[in-house]
Order: sequence, then C-alpha cells, then structure tokens
Amino acid sequence: AQKITQTQPGMFVQEKEAVTLDCTYDTSDQSYGLFWYKQPSSGEMIFLIYQGSYDEQNATEGRYSLNFQKARKSANLVISASQLGDSAMYFCAMRERDTGGFKTIFGAGTRLFVKA
Amino acid sequence: GAGVSQSPRYKVTKRGQDVALRCDPISGHVSLYWYRQALGQGPEFLTYFNYEAQQDKSGLPNDRFSAERPEGSISTLTIQRTEQRDSAMYRCASSLRVRTGENEKLFFGSGTQLSVL
Repeated sequence: AQKITQTQPGMFVQEKEAVTLDCTYDTSDQSYGLFWYKQPSSGEMIFLIYQGSYDEQNATEGRYSLNFQKARKSANLVISASQLGDSAMYFCAMRERDTGGFKTIFGAGTRLFVKA
Repeated sequence: GAGVSQSPRYKVTKRGQDVALRCDPISGHVSLYWYRQALGQGPEFLTYFNYEAQQDKSGLPNDRFSAERPEGSISTLTIQRTEQRDSAMYRCASSLRVRTGENEKLFFGSGTQLSVL
C-alpha cells in the first residue's frame, strides 16, 4: 500500500510567487517524522525541512514551511517567493519505527518548474 | 570522510554478471540505508543496517539482491546474475543515531548508476 502520496507529478509557478506541493501519508504509529528533500538536476538529495508528529507548530526553514495537518495526514510543503533555482524534484518522506530502528520511505515526487 | 561516498559512480555490465556496489557512510553514522531510484521516481527502499546488523531487508526485490555491512561501516550491495530490469540509480544514505530517530535526516551519497546491457 502506498504510504506516501504526492499527487502532483509536475507543477509550474511564476518566479517570486508562492507554491504548495502536496503530500499525504499513511501510518498507524503515533511517533513519526515527516521530511521534504529537494533533488536538482545534478542528482544530489538535499534536506529541506522536518516536522515531528508531536510538534504543534508548523516547521519553517527560511522560505520553506510545512503545512502539517495531522488529522488529515497531510504535510504540504510551501515555498514562498519562488526562485529559478527552486526548479527541481521534491520528495516528501516519512520516517517511522521499524523492527530494530527507523525506516524512511519516500513519495514519487513532484517536479517543480519555476518560470521567469 | 566528509560525506557519504559511493563507488563506482557508473557501472555498465552484461546481463548475467554479478555486480558489487560500495557505500562508505559518514564516519560515526550508525544507520545505513540502500535505495534504488528509477529516473523521475522517488527513492525505493531496499534495506538498512544499524551498526553491522541488517534490520530490514523487505525491500530487496528478490534473492539475487543481498547486502552486508560486516564491520558496521562500509556496506556492499551485491546483485547476482544481473538483469536489464536492475538498471537504475542505487543510492546509499546514512544517519547518525538509532534511538529517538524519527527526526534524523538522511545524508545521501551521489549514487551508482547501474546499466545492464
């Protein structure tokens, strides 16, 4: 069963505007972590932001914020004031307890295109 | 080392050959993960280790795939009798701790691009 769902294969945004990338997840654990990673065309994976399941406030990191709605099991990434360099693949990920430790699983990703 | 190192960067092999992919995690990182990533897709979990113990190998596609981390540091992912469908980017990642680990971000290597002809 799909545990991380990213329903937007591709998104376009005008430079300097805000964009929201959707992510829903499925878990029966009470304690888990949600992450967003960026993968530019160079292929590296860059950590952007983290949200813990017990955190009451939405996480923010510079221009990135995470709109966490626990009851709806959604963890959308909001990028404000988009820049051309934001064009990349974005992956939502969940880290949950597994036998002996923690495992991180990823969604299929959303490709973001920022237009000048 | 400063980051997660994977070798080789590219591997081209003929169908039926065995390949070994190497991952050297960040020094001191306890957990090590293997993922497979097809072009335009998200990383697909394969297996992971805490120290030298393989904790979960549920993502390995079949028994041609195996992984080890004998001394709790460097890991090797081995694919026997390779098939064309094994062609993909194989990524390794590491993280620092085992306990209270839901907030641990992963540090990824550059990956090994495997092409099976």
